[in-house]
Amino acid sequence: EVQLVESGGGLVQPGGSLRLSCAASGFTFSNYWMTWVRQAPGKGLEWVANIKQDGSGKYYVDSVRGRFTISRDNAKNSLYLQMSSLRVEDTAVYYCARAILAEYWGQGTLVTVSS
Amino acid sequence: DIVMTQTPLSSPVTLGQPASISCRSSQSLVHSDGNTYLSWLQQRPGQPPRLLIYKISNRFSGVPDRFSGSGAGTDFTLNISRVEAEDVGVYYCMQATQFPVTFGQGTRLEIK
Repeated sequence: EVQLVESGGGLVQPGGSLRLSCAASGFTFSNYWMTWVRQAPGKGLEWVANIKQDGSGKYYVDSVRGRFTISRDNAKNSLYLQMSSLRVEDTAVYYCARAILAEYWGQGTLVTVSS
Repeated sequence: DIVMTQTPLSSPVTLGQPASISCRSSQSLVHSDGNTYLSWLQQRPGQPPRLLIYKISNRFSGVPDRFSGSGAGTDFTLNISRVEAEDVGVYYCMQATQFPVTFGQGTRLEIK
């Protein structure tokens, strides 16, 4: 059974940093692109970033480029999102998903940016 | 960026009746590899999204056959043949033909 479990969310002040993790199981992690998607409270879905199987290709939405870094550790079956210079508008539930097509999703982790 | 526009934004439906959601993209979603990366996702209340349909019309694993997708180029449709109570939620179309991946605004399906 495919499982994706996000962690690392919490309350952070504007300008602060946070690192999200996603633990994957039930499939060969190193064979898949991985994705981060976020959803602000009461809003729709926004794609954040993708990373290729070997980490050689990374793509970001304009609003986070230069502030967020996606990475992965295939030995640990884990996906990460390092977030810095956080803004109030980054407040959202952050989901990790398998593949560019977002075939499977985790339950999400809430990031709240507030003073 | 490719803009995805869904209609309607809200759809009250009677149980057992069909429902249809449209999605239009601001440019063709045909990829250079010949595939069209248009997907439909369902988000039930309080749940993460779930992939229903990929590449226009392919049902993902475990998705009931009352869900079907169609379309081409820039115009796509999700059909539910007979709405059940568990279908309540928000439906999103998503394009992955070109980065950035983009989603429609979502269509809320509710029971009359």
